[in-house]
Amino acid sequence: NAGVMQNPRHLVRRRGQEARLRCSPMKGHSHVYWYRQLPEEGLKFMVYLQKENIIDESGMPKERFSAEFPKEGPSILRIQQVVRGDSAAYFCASSPRMVSDEQYFGPGTRLTVT
Amino acid sequence: SQQGEEDPQALSIQEGENATMNCSYKTSINNLQWYRQNSGRGLVHLILIRSNEREKHSGRLRVTLDTSKKSSSLLITASRAADTASYFCASPTDKLIFGTGTRLQVFP
Repeated sequence: NAGVMQNPRHLVRRRGQEARLRCSPMKGHSHVYWYRQLPEEGLKFMVYLQKENIIDESGMPKERFSAEFPKEGPSILRIQQVVRGDSAAYFCASSPRMVSDEQYFGPGTRLTVT
Repeated sequence: SQQGEEDPQALSIQEGENATMNCSYKTSINNLQWYRQNSGRGLVHLILIRSNEREKHSGRLRVTLDTSKKSSSLLITASRAADTASYFCASPTDKLIFGTGTRLQVFP
């Protein structure tokens, strides 16, 4: 059973470009979470999705950021018109049931905006 | 707002010593979880303790939970250099909220 997969592992974008981060949850997991981590800081919750539904997006910036988890395929975190402050590690996690279950994390995508 | 706060922020010990990290949280929980993060990697779930449990063991890990004080502690016994990592507590409310972490360094 493969773990949570994220790609790309590293992504470099110039200011103003779009960043698309992908996450494939563990097999059988229908709950996906995205977190952002700045250097030397803990993880900050961004969004919680189930298949085709956004359950909680209270941690998502109001502009430029969007997330989806379609019926088929990976979950996508999309950042439009990236700025330097978007540079961070973005982690995806999945769980088989509700948010209070333990979560299984992917290796993360390190986004660098130049 | 941060739900969990770990203390200390950083800890350096010699191999063989015990390491204790503390976590305080703000709201009521039904469980509290501890995770480890090696540098540059994703988080690995270590242990989950439910609100009706006071202590739980897993190998060299011992976790305690005091719901009256809204605090938890993680004890790593007989530490090894491979235990060097950041350790986070996380408490689920309507989302999983992570603390700021304790950076543990174990010197050989």
